Amino acid sequence: AQSVAQPEDQVNVAEGNPLTVKCTYSVSGNPYLFWYVQYPNRGLQFLLKYITGDNLVKGSYGFEAEFNKSQTSFHLKKPSALVSDSALYFCAVLAQAAGNKLTFGGGTRVLVKP
Amino acid sequence: DGGITQSPKYLFRKEGQNVTLSCEQNLNHDAMYWYRQDPGQGLRLIYYSQIVNDFQKGDIAEGYSVSREKKESFPLTVTSAQKNPTAFYLCASSIGLNEQFFGPGTRLTVL
Repeated sequence: AQSVAQPEDQVNVAEGNPLTVKCTYSVSGNPYLFWYVQYPNRGLQFLLKYITGDNLVKGSYGFEAEFNKSQTSFHLKKPSALVSDSALYFCAVLAQAAGNKLTFGGGTRVLVKP
Repeated sequence: DGGITQSPKYLFRKEGQNVTLSCEQNLNHDAMYWYRQDPGQGLRLIYYSQIVNDFQKGDIAEGYSVSREKKESFPLTVTSAQKNPTAFYLCASSIGLNEQFFGPGTRLTVL
């Protein structure tokens, strides 16, 4: 069975500082990895994905993520956080061996303080 | 949220009552999904459909039912058999293994 772990329930960072949200995964076969962001009482918005190719993936709103196969990680990063980045972030993994179903981590709440 | 609509935004259910949540997409996506989100938890898959007139159970299908008669529509019925239905329900759609696009959600509350 595939699984995703987001070890931090909440991350606090000062505006302008680097932001990192951690994600590790377990899956059979090659993973398809995704990051989503959710604002209060809204649906999820897609940020970026890794399917194949370059391990560093760039996405929306200045976010990027690095795929590390040996550590089975896919951490989300932003060089300089904004107050408007405060939201709930979800990592997700999809594998063909699991019937193309997307499995989500528990989410990490990011709070960026001015 | 563009391209996928969910209605209503808020829904209240009495004990023993079935309710149906609507999900419509105009993205021409083949696959559609229903998730449940509880406070402090991630999303859990209820049902999914990869093609019209076909659907599969997800991880928490008990007490729910779906239909997929049209490509654009994937309604979810929360039956009286679902003992703890209060949650935020999210519908999504996708093409193949690409990213899923989510609707704005329906918040269901049991009175």
